[in-house]
Amino acid sequence: KAGVTQTPRYLIKTRGQQVTLSCSPISGHRSVSWYQQTPGQGLQFLFEYFSETQRNKGNFPGRFSGRQFSNSRSEMNVSTLELGDSALYLCASSLLGKTDTQYFGPGTRLTVL
Amino acid sequence: DAKTTQPNSMESNEEEPVHLPCNHSTISGTDYIHWYRQLPSQGPEYVIHGLTSNVNNRMASLAIAEDRKSSTLILHRATLRDAAVYYCILRDVAGSSNTGKLIFGQGTTLQVKP
Repeated sequence: KAGVTQTPRYLIKTRGQQVTLSCSPISGHRSVSWYQQTPGQGLQFLFEYFSETQRNKGNFPGRFSGRQFSNSRSEMNVSTLELGDSALYLCASSLLGKTDTQYFGPGTRLTVL
Repeated sequence: DAKTTQPNSMESNEEEPVHLPCNHSTISGTDYIHWYRQLPSQGPEYVIHGLTSNVNNRMASLAIAEDRKSSTLILHRATLRDAAVYYCILRDVAGSSNTGKLIFGQGTTLQVKP
């Protein structure tokens, strides 16, 4: 089975722009979660989608949003980028969420200049 | 959510066993103990999990204290490839927290020396 894929792997944007990141989960997985990883804050949960519905949300501003499509693929969007949004964004998929094993992608490295 | 406490860093020699401790004194009866690790430049990967009994798989062993307030991840023979950040995470199977959300602490950075 193919693993979780994320595109693009690297991205450079400037302040004020917006960005969309994509995640394709493992085939058959219906839960997709997103995380932000920075040196200062570590790994922080952004949100989780299950069957096209947001099931859980972390403590991030409304500039961070996401969605999930009927094929379970997910996108996250960050609007009005700030320097502090520079981070590794990781996507994880699992069968049903809950306490299933989470399978992570390699991440998208976003740099905001 | 119950918290875990891990040492910031540990060192090991290659081919020797490694014991990575985790304290979780506020663990509830429905919390599973999960371990993930993150190799350099990769996303985290699942290692092992358990509830009460000790667990073994091809990657590692998990020893859980009788009172469940602490646990130890055991790598039987460390290799250079095991150098990573190891995260101990509690996952509640009950109620509204029953989602895919993982709460990561700072983890333990394991260095393996040749």
